[in-house]
Amino acid sequence: DVKVTQSSRYLVKRTGEKVFLECVQDMDHENMFWYRQDPGLGLRLIYFSYDVKMKEKGDIPEGYSVSREKKERFSLILESASTNQTSMYLCAGHDGSNQPQHFGDGTRLSIL
Amino acid sequence: GQNIDQPTEMTATEGAIVQINCTYQTSGFNGLFWYQQHAGEAPTFLSYNVLDGLEEKGRFSSFLSRSKGYSYLLLKELQMKDSASYLCAVREEDSNYQLIWGAGTKLIIKP
Repeated sequence: DVKVTQSSRYLVKRTGEKVFLECVQDMDHENMFWYRQDPGLGLRLIYFSYDVKMKEKGDIPEGYSVSREKKERFSLILESASTNQTSMYLCAGHDGSNQPQHFGDGTRLSIL
Repeated sequence: GQNIDQPTEMTATEGAIVQINCTYQTSGFNGLFWYQQHAGEAPTFLSYNVLDGLEEKGRFSSFLSRSKGYSYLLLKELQMKDSASYLCAVREEDSNYQLIWGAGTKLIIKP
């Protein structure tokens, strides 16, 4: 069965810290996505990747970067965390077909 | 521009039927997805429509009209566990599998 795993369910960090959110998928999926979700807004795409070492900016990449050194792992990096980056972060995998994206459990990140 | 509209919140009674609508305006169309999301959890896939018509899966059905830019999710025999947000998402043509997401409809089920 499909499995996408995010390293932390809850995370609290301080303003200015560099924050790493990890996502691992075990389905050999090519496509991986990072979203953030805020109340009253739809899922907003931060970055996505089609293959190892490839990355594309989504709709709201400012303040974030990503890393995909191995096919199964897609990391989201907050270079210098700010309070407006407090949010729910969701990682998704997709096999490049008409199949749906599959999500990890999400990381609720608080920046103090 | 791209836009997906869903009602913000709906209330229904246990055992009843509810229809959640989604209208979209996108640059081309290559499929529409419905997801369920319980509070504090990740979205889980419910249904996929790419051709006009009704797709039925147990208590849940999803309908699509491409000419009207319209879809609905129909939930029958409502149960308390159906209390959740329901997200509509559209894939555009040549989108490299990216999805455009609606803000979601929060469904509240009352006894």
